Amino acid sequence: DQQVKQNSPSLSVQEGRISILNCDYTNSMFDYFLWYKKYPAEGPTFLISISSIKDKNEDGRFTVFLNKSAKHLSLHIVPSQPGDSAVYFCAASGGSNYKLTFGKGTLLTVNP
Amino acid sequence: GAVVSQHPSRVICKSGTSVKIECRSLDFQATTMFWYRQFPKQSLMLMATSNEGSKATYEQGVEKDKFLINHASLTLSTLTVTSAHPEDSSFYICSALPSGGRKYYGYTFGSGTRLTVV
Repeated sequence: DQQVKQNSPSLSVQEGRISILNCDYTNSMFDYFLWYKKYPAEGPTFLISISSIKDKNEDGRFTVFLNKSAKHLSLHIVPSQPGDSAVYFCAASGGSNYKLTFGKGTLLTVNP
Repeated sequence: GAVVSQHPSRVICKSGTSVKIECRSLDFQATTMFWYRQFPKQSLMLMATSNEGSKATYEQGVEKDKFLINHASLTLSTLTVTSAHPEDSSFYICSALPSGGRKYYGYTFGSGTRLTVV
C-alpha cells in the first residue's frame, strides 16, 4: 500500500510559467513533509519542507502548500526555469523514528 | 550546510563477492543514518535505519544478513552487500539526520552508489 502518492509521473511547463507538483498521502501519523529534487545517478537535494502545524511555507521561488483535511500537498515553482527540470520527490515522516516515505516522483520538464 | 559524502559512486563486482559502501557526514554528527535503494524510475525504498552504537533496524523484506550495516561512529555508516547477485544491482543512497533533529536541517542525502553485479 503506497502511503505517499505522486499521481503524475511527468509534467511539462513553459519557462516563466508556474509549475505545480502534487502529492497525496494516506497515513494520518505523518506530520512532516519534504520535497526533494533529483537528477539521474545523484542523491536527492532538499528543496523545502513543511510541518503539519502550518499550511504554507515559502522559500524564494518555491512554495509548499499543505491541506491536512484532504491529505494533500503541492509544490509551486514560480517562475519555472529550465534548470528546474528534474525529478521531484515528495516525502513524509511521522512518529519518533524519523523514517521518510517517498512518493514515486514526478519528472518536471521546463521548456525554454 | 550539511554535507554527506558517499563512496564509491560506482562499483562493478563479480557475482558472489561482497561490496562495501561508505556514508560519511562531513560537517555534522549523525546519530541516525538511513539506507535506501532505488530501482529505475521507481521511488526510493528505505532498506534500514542505522543507529550509532546499536544494531540497525531493517525494513520488512530486507535481508539483514545480506545487507550488513555498521554505524561505528557519529560520522560514518557502512553498507556491505554480501555475496552479491545480479538482482542486487541497483542505486543505493544513504541519508543522515543531524543529531539536532529533522526540523532544522532536513535529511541530507549522499550522492548515491550505482552497484552493478556481473
